Amino acid sequence: GAVVSQHPSWVICKSGTSVKIECRSLDFQATTMFWYRQFPKQSLMLMATSNEGSKATYEQGVEKDKFLINHASLTLSTLTVTSAHPEDSSFYICSASPGLAGARDEQFFGPGTRLTVL
Amino acid sequence: AQSVTQPDIHITVSEGASLELRCNYSYGATPYLFWYVQSPGQGLQLLLKYFSGDTLVQGIKGFEAEFKRSQSSFNLRKPSVHWSDAAEYFCAVAPRYNNNDMRFGAGTRLTVKP
Repeated sequence: GAVVSQHPSWVICKSGTSVKIECRSLDFQATTMFWYRQFPKQSLMLMATSNEGSKATYEQGVEKDKFLINHASLTLSTLTVTSAHPEDSSFYICSASPGLAGARDEQFFGPGTRLTVL
Repeated sequence: AQSVTQPDIHITVSEGASLELRCNYSYGATPYLFWYVQSPGQGLQLLLKYFSGDTLVQGIKGFEAEFKRSQSSFNLRKPSVHWSDAAEYFCAVAPRYNNNDMRFGAGTRLTVKP
């Protein structure tokens, strides 16, 4: 089956620093990638959707300048949390789809990245 | 407002017993419906999905789910649970013809007793 990896699996950083999380589709080309945030014992919340080579579309309430998303190739998307603060601590999950945004293609999920900001 | 509800945060069943995980949704029109499973340290895996047609959907690992329009429900079932089924289960919905706007329930953690 389609495999999506994330790196790192966990990261601890100091407040005010930036952290980059990578999401890779290992055996298929991901036309569309999604970034989610998951709080403890809560749902996954969609943060943004990105198509390769285009700017990401952010959900309402998600700060574009704080959560920078780059989808530079068909197998790689990155999420950079800029000037991280303790409230940004969370579990970040990416997913990838071979279809265009809005299609019915299945999303394949990565294992997630645990971010802790001290 | 659109929402997905999984009423049970944590369920414990004995190995070999039957299982039913509940999912209710509130949407203007019947959405696409999904069940995912998440094991520790692993990504979400799709168990099954409902787009249209037969309201009883068969999935992987022996799971099935039944869509009931009148109850706005999409409950997940398995006749005999295995210890390896212990995991977190998420119900998710997406508007028709747009898989982007996927909304997840809070999840149900399944513990399997030997």
